[in-house]
This record gives sequence, structure tokens and C-alpha cells, in this order.
Amino acid sequence: QKEVEQDPGPLSVPEGAIVSLNCTYSNSAFQYFMWYRQYSRKGPELLMYTYSSGNKEDGRFTAQVDKSSKYISLFIRDSQPSDSATYLCATMTTSGTYKYIFGTGTRLKVLA
Amino acid sequence: DGGITQSPKYLFRKEGQNVTLSCEQNLNHDAMYWYRQDPGQGLRLIYYSQIVNDFQKGDIAEGYSVSREKKESFPLTVTSAQKNPTAFYLCASHRGGGANVLTFGAGSRLTVL
Repeated sequence: QKEVEQDPGPLSVPEGAIVSLNCTYSNSAFQYFMWYRQYSRKGPELLMYTYSSGNKEDGRFTAQVDKSSKYISLFIRDSQPSDSATYLCATMTTSGTYKYIFGTGTRLKVLA
Repeated sequence: DGGITQSPKYLFRKEGQNVTLSCEQNLNHDAMYWYRQDPGQGLRLIYYSQIVNDFQKGDIAEGYSVSREKKESFPLTVTSAQKNPTAFYLCASHRGGGANVLTFGAGSRLTVL
């Protein structure tokens, strides 16, 4: 079993839709969770960073962590064509060294 | 502006040749990482370094080598022993301590002809 599982998509939605992207993880010791956005042929850029459970909002983006079910989500409100990208969830272990574990990424296409 | 610079952006290699990908950061970050990205497989860790003159193998280190002689630099050599080197390579860095955010470079695309 992979430590972080993510539906690869692709996911196509009309402009203005609410998008829900999800990941599950296996290790209850994970406490730091991140969402990265990656445009084609570019490096990933950090979108959201959360610690432990709860919600975090930044503009049209909301990150949600449910540690009881080991589930992390990213919601995008009023989606725009410029949101079309691959979204990677990630977590981090801190046992001795810092090691990041990434999901496979979900490709999102927002249609104008 | 602070950031991570990877070069070259695109690189073509003949089979049997070693190539070195450059990664330089001016963020004053302690830790640096190399990832390989293939379609449908996400990011896989090749090597990482927490401090100068020290580095550890990641999940797919075979056929790769690194050095960390300076804090700012973490070059990756793809050797001829790497059987399937065509991929997108990403360098990243992390300040360490409580700053648990990984910053990426723009990537290097290696194609073996």
C-alpha cells in the first residue's frame, strides 16, 4: 500500500464549478500536509500548507485535513481555466530526517 | 529574488553517457532534494542532503550520484548505470527546523536518444 494515495484523474469541470481533490494516507503519525500545483513542464509550487486536523482557507482555495479518517482535501471555488494543472498532495515525516511523500497527482482541466 | 535554479532545462543524452544536472539555491536552505517525475508515478526521491558534505539515498538512488560541497549547490549525475533515465528531474530545498515547506526548481527534462 502506498503511503499517500491520490486519484490521478483527469478531472474536467466547467468554469465556475467547485472542485474537490482528495488524498488518503496510511500513517497516523503524519502531521504536516501540503498541496502543490504544477503546470505542465514546470516545477510544483506550494498552494496550501496545514498542520494537524482542520481547515485552512486562502482565497478560492480551502485545504481540509481529517486525521480520524486519514483524508486530506483541497477545494477550489469558482474554478477558472487558469486553475488547469496537476495538483499534488504531500505529507512529511520528521522521524530523524525530513522526508516528503507525494501523491501521484490529479490532473484538473477547467473548461471555459 | 530567492529561488532554486536548475540547468539545463532540456538535455539530450546518448546511451552510455553520464550527464550532470545543476541545482543552485540562494534561499539559505539547509536541506536539498532530488526527485524524478514520470507520468502516473508522482515524485520519487532520488537523493537528499540535510547538511553540507552529507547526503542519503532516497527510494530510487541506483544509477545516480550526488555531491554537496557547498550549501548552495546539489548537482545530480545520471550515470550510464541508470537503465531508464528519460524523465523530468526536480530539485527542491527546505530550510529545516519548523519551516516544513519544500520549494522546487523549474525542473530539467532529460531525454536519452
